[in-house]
Formats: sequence, structure tokens, C-alpha cells
Amino acid sequence: SQQGEEDPQALSIQEGENATMNCSYKTSINNLQWYRQNSGRGLVHLILIRSNEREKHSGRLRVTLDTSKKSSSLLITASRAADTASYFCATDIGGGKLIFGQGTELSVKP
Amino acid sequence: DAGVIQSPRHEVTEMGQEVTLRCKPISGHNSLFWYRQTMMRGLELLIYFNNNVPIDDSGMPEDRFSAKMPNASFSTLKIQPSEPRDSAVYFCASSLTGREQYFGPGTRLTVT
Repeated sequence: SQQGEEDPQALSIQEGENATMNCSYKTSINNLQWYRQNSGRGLVHLILIRSNEREKHSGRLRVTLDTSKKSSSLLITASRAADTASYFCATDIGGGKLIFGQGTELSVKP
Repeated sequence: DAGVIQSPRHEVTEMGQEVTLRCKPISGHNSLFWYRQTMMRGLELLIYFNNNVPIDDSGMPEDRFSAKMPNASFSTLKIQPSEPRDSAVYFCASSLTGREQYFGPGTRLTVT
């Protein structure tokens, strides 16, 4: 089964609202990363949080990591139509090997 | 930097034909990854190289798939013979070990 499982699978919000996506995983990790994929394009790295970190910010992005619960969340504040994309969490289980979740499809309506 | 370069961007071939996908990683990166993405199975890691050496090929579906990295600036993924179920988008990504990965634009493969 997948190392990373994401919730929800799809999310539809209005511009200006916040979007929260969750990721759960099963094994120990070195770090957890979030990526974005626009339709028909490659994945783009958003943010990396190490296993000894609890929270990290980058612009309108906020990521939390709870290693005791083996879970992470990605918060996008003040969403824009341009944030419409699929978002994936990926766990680094060693040697740089990433295991990706199935993704959350975010739709931001203007 | 031009980023990760993949070719071709689209490939349509008939069942039984050989397909070769190419990747040029970002200069200076020492890890290279090949992924396959489908609606049914999501994003799957096929194989990855560290310093041009294959480290983990457990994701390669069958002997029909092979990958090489003859030098730090070039890698190929070959499918021989191709089958319709190989139809997918194939991504190449590169990184410094343990850091974020940079993905190419992908090759959309259709096997008829």
C-alpha cells in the first residue's frame, strides 16, 4: 500500500479561502516534501520539512509535521485561482528515495 | 539552468516496438530518478541512480524495462517490446542526494 496517503482526494474552494491538505505515512522518514503538479506538467517542489522540525513556512504555505502521528498538513492561505493544481506529499525514507502519495486535487474558483 | 530535459515529449508507437526515453539531469545533481504516472496507479518510482550507479530498480515492472546512465549528464529508459499497458507519462527527476527533486516535463507514451 502507499506510504503516503492524502486527504481529501479533491477539494474545491473559493478564491481567498484557505486550503488544508493532509498526508499520513507509515514508516520512519528523513524528511517530508510537498509538490505541486499543474495539469499536463511535471511536479514542482514546494517545501521540505525535516523529521526534527514541527512547522515550516514559505510565503502563503505552512507545513506541519507530527512524527508521533506520522502525519503532515499543508495549508495554503488566501488561495488564488492560480493555486488550482494537484498537490502531493512525498516521504524520504532514505538515500533520497521519495514515496509519493496519490495527491489532492485542489480547485480554486474565482 | 535549463532544468531537467526530457525527450521526446510525446511518443506514439505500436505494440511490440522498442521505445527509448531520454533524460538530461540538472548539471551538478548526483541523483536521477525515473517515474511513471497513470491515473490508476499514481506516481510510481521505477528506478533511481546515485552517482550514475543504479541503487534501486525494484519498481521496474518487468524485464521489458531497462535503464542506463552512462554518464552524469544522460540517462535512458528503454521498453522492449512495448505493450498498451505501458501507456503513461514518464518523468525523469534529478536532485542532490536527500534534497528536493526537480522534475522534467515528462514524456507522454501511447502504445497502440
